[in-house]
Amino acid sequence: AQSVTQLDSQVPVFEEAPVELRCNYSSSVSVYLFWYVQYPNQGLQLLLKYLSGSTLVESINGFEAEFNKSQTSFHLRKPSVHISDTAEYFCAVSEINAGGTSYGKLTFGQGTILTVHP
Amino acid sequence: DADVTQTPRNRITKTGKRIMLECSQTKGHDRMYWYRQDPGLGLRLIYYSFDVKDINKGEISDGYSVSRQAQAKFSLSLESAIPNQTALYFCATSDRSDNQPQHFGDGTRLSIL
Repeated sequence: AQSVTQLDSQVPVFEEAPVELRCNYSSSVSVYLFWYVQYPNQGLQLLLKYLSGSTLVESINGFEAEFNKSQTSFHLRKPSVHISDTAEYFCAVSEINAGGTSYGKLTFGQGTILTVHP
Repeated sequence: DADVTQTPRNRITKTGKRIMLECSQTKGHDRMYWYRQDPGLGLRLIYYSFDVKDINKGEISDGYSVSRQAQAKFSLSLESAIPNQTALYFCATSDRSDNQPQHFGDGTRLSIL
């Protein structure tokens, strides 16, 4: 079984400031890692993912996350946030089975509400 | 049109009523999932299906049932609704071939009085 902990339930920040949303996970097997974003009254959208390879992954809108296996973390960062980044962010993991693939079942963290102030 | 469509978007009902939430997808994905979202708890998996004949319980299946009527349709039922099932419900799909993330519908907000 796996679990995901997002260390901050709310993160307020001013526009153009840097931000880090923290995520730690626990699992007895290897996992794939994801960050999703949820805007008000919408479903979740994939922001970025780590499956293998480089431990630093980037999204098209300036977010990045680094997989740290020794610390079992997958923190999300952005060097300069915009008002439009205001949303709830979810970290999630998916267990990798013996065949090297995933059943696709996601375990989510509790969510972090990012509020960007002008 | 949305790739994953959930109906209804909002529903208010009374304790003890039977409720069905419907999900349809146009992505051609094999796998479909139902989650509920509660403030401060994130999303939790209720049921998932890898194809029409393969349905599995998730983390919190008690009080719920599902039906996979076709590859594109996956319904969630609450046989006798209770107030603590008030939540935001999401349907999601994924393609088994790519270990890829799930694609979510816009959710159904369910209130049980």
